[in-house]
Amino acid sequence: GAVVSQHPSRVICKSGTSVKIECRSLDFQATTMFWYRQFPKQSLMLMATSNEGSKATYEQGVEKDKFLINHASLTLSTLTVTSAHPEDSSFYICSASGLAGADEQFFGPGTRLTVL
Amino acid sequence: AQSVSQHNHHVILSEAASLELGCNYSYGGTVNLFWYVQYPGQHLQLLLKYFSGDPLVKGIKGFEAEFIKSKFSFNLRKPSVQWSDTAEYFCAVKDYGGATNKLIFGTGTLLAVQP
Repeated sequence: GAVVSQHPSRVICKSGTSVKIECRSLDFQATTMFWYRQFPKQSLMLMATSNEGSKATYEQGVEKDKFLINHASLTLSTLTVTSAHPEDSSFYICSASGLAGADEQFFGPGTRLTVL
Repeated sequence: AQSVSQHNHHVILSEAASLELGCNYSYGGTVNLFWYVQYPGQHLQLLLKYFSGDPLVKGIKGFEAEFIKSKFSFNLRKPSVQWSDTAEYFCAVKDYGGATNKLIFGTGTLLAVQP
């Protein structure tokens, strides 16, 4: 099946710094990538949807200047958490869908962000 | 807006017991429905999906789900669970409203199967 990777798997940073998380589709071209946030014992909440070569579409309540998303190629999307604060600590998960089987999303393993 | 509810937050079963996890979505029209599973320490994996046709959908690892349009439900079932089914299960609905076809997830059900 289609494989999606995320890097890093976990990151610890100081408050005020920026952190970049990469999401790659390894064996297919992802026209659309999604970024989710998962709080402990809660569901995945969609943060934004990105299409290759265009600006991301953010969900209501998600600060686009804080969570910068870039989808520069058909295999890579990045999420940058700018000026991170402890309340940004969470599990961030990306998913990707491609041209074939566009109705299905393939999920990455997630990135655990801890902001001190 | 579309929403998804999973009524069971935590289920504990013994091996060989039957499983049914509830999932309801908020409004009708065209829906695509999914069940995902997240094993401990692993990423989300698709168990099964319903787009159209036979409302009884069979997925991997012996799971099945039934789409009942009149009840806005898509319950997950397995006749005999195994210890290896211990995981968190998420129901999701694809929302065709707006500019993007996004998945709306339920809050998840944590299943613990005791040997």
